[in-house]
Formats: sequence, structure tokens, C-alpha cells
Amino acid sequence: AQKITQTQPGMFVQEKEAVTLDCTYDTSDPSYGLFWYKQPSSGEMIFLIYQGSYDQQNATEGRYSLNFQKARKSANLVISASQLGDSAMYFCAMSDGGATNKLIFGTGTLLAVQP
Amino acid sequence: DVKVTQSSRYLVKRTGEKVFLECVQDMDHENMFWYRQDPGLGLRLIYFSYDVKMKEKGDIPEGYSVSREKKERFSLILESASTNQTSMYLCASSMFFTPIKGNTIYFGEGSWLTVV
Repeated sequence: AQKITQTQPGMFVQEKEAVTLDCTYDTSDPSYGLFWYKQPSSGEMIFLIYQGSYDQQNATEGRYSLNFQKARKSANLVISASQLGDSAMYFCAMSDGGATNKLIFGTGTLLAVQP
Repeated sequence: DVKVTQSSRYLVKRTGEKVFLECVQDMDHENMFWYRQDPGLGLRLIYFSYDVKMKEKGDIPEGYSVSREKKERFSLILESASTNQTSMYLCASSMFFTPIKGNTIYFGEGSWLTVV
């Protein structure tokens, strides 16, 4: 069965510094997608970045990059130059592939950016 | 822009009441999902549907049922609400997935349900 593990319940980072949020996954399916979402206190899920299992390059979206290490089954999110508005809950998720496109989530990491 | 709309943002219901949470999407997506979010547990899948009138149980279906009579609408039903169903409920919709397509999953804003 697929599983997503986020081992950091909470993290602090100073404004303008980079931070890495850890995510490991487990699947036997060769075809899958990895996602990161941001959830501010208002509750909406904001899509940040996506990595496909066949992608050769690590995904990047502005200040976000995904450090994809397939052999280690890890998909860490790197946020460069942290901003106060980055304070939120961050979820790693994996699609199990196939028609249903069902997302499996980790337990989340609460990031607090300090001025 | 894709829109997933959840009918109620905040609800307070009494134990034993029947509760309906409605979700509508406007992108003709085949797949729709209901998740429950609790602190320390992340998002857990309750039910999903891959077509009209089709449904499958997720990881925590007990105490819930769903209805999908039209493609754009997916309802979550709590037949007899209990206090342990106090939670945040998120609806999502998506199209068929392939690793090449990238993100095709869209979420509603969430419904905060309190059962007293």
C-alpha cells in the first residue's frame, strides 16, 4: 500500500533563509505523482509543486523546488528566501496513479517563519 | 479557472442529526473525493467517485455515505452525526491522471463541521 511520511511536525525558519521540508514515500507502482500543498490558517489547499515519477529533472516553481531522490523514495520541498507569508501547514501527497487519481497525504509540517 | 465549491463553510449540528455536505465542480471532472482533516493525522480519504452513481470507500468510510447523481455534484452524508465527526472536510475533483500531466487535482475551501 502507498504511504507518505512527514517526520517534522513543526519547524521554525528565519525570514530570508532557505528551509527544507522532508517527505518520504512508499509505493510499488512505477507510475506516480508527488505533490506539495500549502494550507494557511484559512483552510484552503494551495497547490505548490508537482513531480512525476518519470521526470528526469527536479521540479521548480519560483521559490519552491522539489528535491526528488527516487532511489531513496524522498521528495523534499525546498523553499528559498522564506517570507512571513510562508507560515502555514505544508502537506506532501502522492497520487496512486491510474484513472481515479486518488491522493494520499502525509500528516503535514507546520512551518513558522520568524522575522 | 477550475472551481470546486463547497456549500457550507461553517456548520454546527447536534448529535444524531443528518448532515449533508455538498460539493460542486465546474470542470467536467470524472473523479471527486471527500477528505477529512484532523490535527496530526493529515487528510484522510473518506469516499471517492470516478463516475456518476459510482462510489468507492476510502480509508475511513465508517459513519459516512455519499451520493453522486450528477457529474458535477458529490455529496457527503453523515446519517447520524456524532461528536467524533467534528472536523474539517475537504472536497476535491480531478481528471484522469498520468505522471506527465502534472497537477490535475483541485480542492474546495473546506467545510468546518462541529457536532455538539
